[in-house]
Amino acid sequence: EPEVTQTPSHQVTQMGQEVILRCVPISNHLYFYWYRQILGQKVEFLVSFYNNEISEKSEIFDDQFSVERPDGSNFTLKIRSTKLEDSAMYFCASNPTGPTEAFFGQGTRLTVV
Amino acid sequence: AQSVAQPEDQVNVAEGNPLTVKCTYSVSGNPYLFWYVQYPNRGLQFLLKYITGDNLVKGSYGFEAEFNKSQTSFHLKKPSALVSDSALYFCAVRDGWDSGGYQKVTFGTGTKLQVIP
Repeated sequence: EPEVTQTPSHQVTQMGQEVILRCVPISNHLYFYWYRQILGQKVEFLVSFYNNEISEKSEIFDDQFSVERPDGSNFTLKIRSTKLEDSAMYFCASNPTGPTEAFFGQGTRLTVV
Repeated sequence: AQSVAQPEDQVNVAEGNPLTVKCTYSVSGNPYLFWYVQYPNRGLQFLLKYITGDNLVKGSYGFEAEFNKSQTSFHLKKPSALVSDSALYFCAVRDGWDSGGYQKVTFGTGTKLQVIP
């Protein structure tokens, strides 16, 4: 069964460093998303991406964040200068067109120290 | 704006007993509702969804959910709980169906289900 894959599963970085979280969505999917879950809190929408551009972003997704689909298969989330409060589980998701659910990856746990 | 509420932080149930995890929603149009489950140190796994049609929808692992429009609820149920059902359950909602397929959803705060042997 096809699945969304995310790498790495866990990343530890120092405050102020740049990190790139990687996702490989399911191959025929058209819509891509990043969500995050701060420990013990709800899952929050960050950004959506369609047709090679951001279609919607939340207030969390400030100038420190960016997304890219560099090669037609990977979908990346970059945080330019990480802060302690960026520590969270980051989930990538994708879906094809039509009335279907989004398929989520296993998540990347980002720890900023 | 779409929103969803899960009023219980935690639900405890004895193994073999029926379980219910509650969810209520608020949308301006027709709701499009989902349940996801998160096992410890794992991602979000889809359980079931309601788009239209029968108010009782069946999903994975023996779970089902009942859509109640008058009460704006979408409670998750299972007739007989297993210890392995212990996990974090999230209700999610989309306000209407985007014909193009855009499926950004809003999640509830999650309910921890603890099934006691």
